[in-house]
Amino acid sequence: GNSVTQMEGPVTLSEEAFLTINCTYTATGYPSLFWYVQYPGEGLQLLLKATKADDKGSNKGFEATYRKETTSFHLEKGSVQVSDSAVYFCALLYNAGNNRKLIWGLGTSLAVNP
Amino acid sequence: KAGVTQTPRYLIKTRGQQVTLSCSPISGHRSVSWYQQTPGQGLQFLFEYFSETQRNKGNFPGRFSGRQFSNSRSEMNVSTLELGDSALYLCASSLGTSIDEQYFGPGTRLTVT
Repeated sequence: GNSVTQMEGPVTLSEEAFLTINCTYTATGYPSLFWYVQYPGEGLQLLLKATKADDKGSNKGFEATYRKETTSFHLEKGSVQVSDSAVYFCALLYNAGNNRKLIWGLGTSLAVNP
Repeated sequence: KAGVTQTPRYLIKTRGQQVTLSCSPISGHRSVSWYQQTPGQGLQFLFEYFSETQRNKGNFPGRFSGRQFSNSRSEMNVSTLELGDSALYLCASSLGTSIDEQYFGPGTRLTVT
């Protein structure tokens, strides 16, 4: 079946460090892939998305490339800030008959220290 | 444009009671989905409504139910509460007939004692 696997957290980095949060997926067909972010005390916000292989989603300095050959959608940022401290969720959207369904990773907590 | 709003933000209930949570989607959004978020299980999909019809349902017992009104506002109800129902309940709205970019509310934190 379809699934999403994220690296376990928590991830702790110093400000200006390079960030990678791994996300791999299992899916048939051509799913869309998303990264959502949840800041403390808030709901999830869409961070970026990619809808087909080799697409690169980017937003607020974050990037992720849809790699079909490695079934991955790793989130990266070149220089993290304290304000990036949050929980990051990878998600996969696929077609299921007449419906579309979302599968979520368990989330990766990121703490950035000044 | 106002975001997704959820009421109440916090709730404390006793085992065996029932609870109703409310969600108002972004104006113009007709699809509303509900999720349960817990530290151990992450986000678990409860159900999705579009135009007052339930389109998808997750693997939750019948104690969990929902509905959507003609103005797209949605409610979910949990009856006979159990300790394990303690969680953050998130509502998300999206524009069209299918789930794509979802906009989440801040959630309702339910604690069952």
